[in-house]
Amino acid sequence: NAGVTQTPKFRILKIGQSMTLQCTQDMNHNYMYWYRQDPGMGLKLIYYSVGAGITDKGEVPNGYNVSRSTTEDFPLRLELAAPSQTSVYFCASRGQREGRGQLSTQYFGPGTRLTVL
Amino acid sequence: KQEVTQIPAALSVPEGENLVLNCSFTDSAIYNLQWFRQDPGKGLTSLLLIQSSQREQTSGRLNASLDKSSGRSTLYIAASQPGDSATYLCIISQGGSEKLVFGKGTKLTVNP
Repeated sequence: NAGVTQTPKFRILKIGQSMTLQCTQDMNHNYMYWYRQDPGMGLKLIYYSVGAGITDKGEVPNGYNVSRSTTEDFPLRLELAAPSQTSVYFCASRGQREGRGQLSTQYFGPGTRLTVL
Repeated sequence: KQEVTQIPAALSVPEGENLVLNCSFTDSAIYNLQWFRQDPGKGLTSLLLIQSSQREQTSGRLNASLDKSSGRSTLYIAASQPGDSATYLCIISQGGSEKLVFGKGTKLTVNP
């Protein structure tokens, strides 16, 4: 298994440009997540999905959009890039809950470092 | 609102030393607590997961404890090695919510 893969690894955008960050997992996980990590800060949840066709907002969804047409893919779209979106973006996935409804661990991708100038 | 604090923010130790990383949280109603390591240019790797009903978990040279009543967790690393150099994150899951609360991490450097 490749686990969670993200592309690109690095990207520089100009203000107002748009782009899509790709995320794919090959573990047949239902749950997928997008986080951003700003320098010296903890990760913050942007959007998440509990299965194909179902997405929901996290803490910081403004300026982003997501879709989940397949179990494997969960792309994150930036429509009008702003300097405030300069960050490292992590995609994660996890499987079904474990015994007695306990949450299983999340598996993270390597991240995409995005700079908006 | 749950807040997760990790102290110290950075730690440098000589190889072979035993060390403890600390994590404190403000709301004891947690679902589980995880310790991850983050390496530069790589994603986060899960080290240990402690369910709310558990007191500790062990994996190799790592031991994590959980005390909900005091709002604390510790990650003990025995006989540290240069390969342990990374940022260690304490992450809390609450009430079955999909939202995780992340600490800012402790950056560990183990010097040969």
